[in-house]
Amino acid sequence: DAGVIQSPRHEVTEMGQEVTLRCKPISGHNSLFWYRQTMMRGLELLIYFNNNVPIDDSGMPEDRFSAKMPNASFSTLKIQPSEPRDSAVYFCASSREIVQETQYFGPGTRLLVL
Amino acid sequence: DQQVKQNSPSLSVQEGRISILNCDYTNSMFDYFLWYKKYPAEGPTFLISISSIKDKNEDGRFTVFLNKSAKHLSLHIVPSQPGDSAVYFCAAKKVGTYKYIFGTGTRLKVLA
Repeated sequence: DAGVIQSPRHEVTEMGQEVTLRCKPISGHNSLFWYRQTMMRGLELLIYFNNNVPIDDSGMPEDRFSAKMPNASFSTLKIQPSEPRDSAVYFCASSREIVQETQYFGPGTRLLVL
Repeated sequence: DQQVKQNSPSLSVQEGRISILNCDYTNSMFDYFLWYKKYPAEGPTFLISISSIKDKNEDGRFTVFLNKSAKHLSLHIVPSQPGDSAVYFCAAKKVGTYKYIFGTGTRLKVLA
């Protein structure tokens, strides 16, 4: 079975542009998580969805960030407008709806905002 | 405020010796802990977990120890192999939630 799929793997954009990151969770998983990894703060949870509904978006840094999950097999994280401080690796992870369940991570999207 | 701390950013160990990676946490409500391993250009992969009702869990060469009174957990790798060279993250979760808090990671280098 395929793991979590993320696209693009790399994104270079200019400040002010809109960036959209995509994620396809593992089939059968009904929880989805977006993380951001930086050197200073490590892995930070941005938002998580359960059964396509956003449950906790307290980690979303500001209104420039938004996330959607229109169906069980697709989610997007959008940054508009992007800023250089958004440069990081963004990971998507999924799990089954069991409290102790392990999260499975995608390969990440490396974003560079110039 | 970092609730999960990995105070050693890097660690070097000789092949065949023991690697000990440490993690401290501040929230006594955390009840489940994970270790993930991450290779460059890949996402983190699950390694081993431990529930707060236990103080030790083993899986092959990997053992995780939990000291609840000290709010400290450690990952032991014995014997260490060059393929273990990676960044290791610890993560903790509160009772009844899905939200894991991750540490900043420790880069392990196993020298051949």
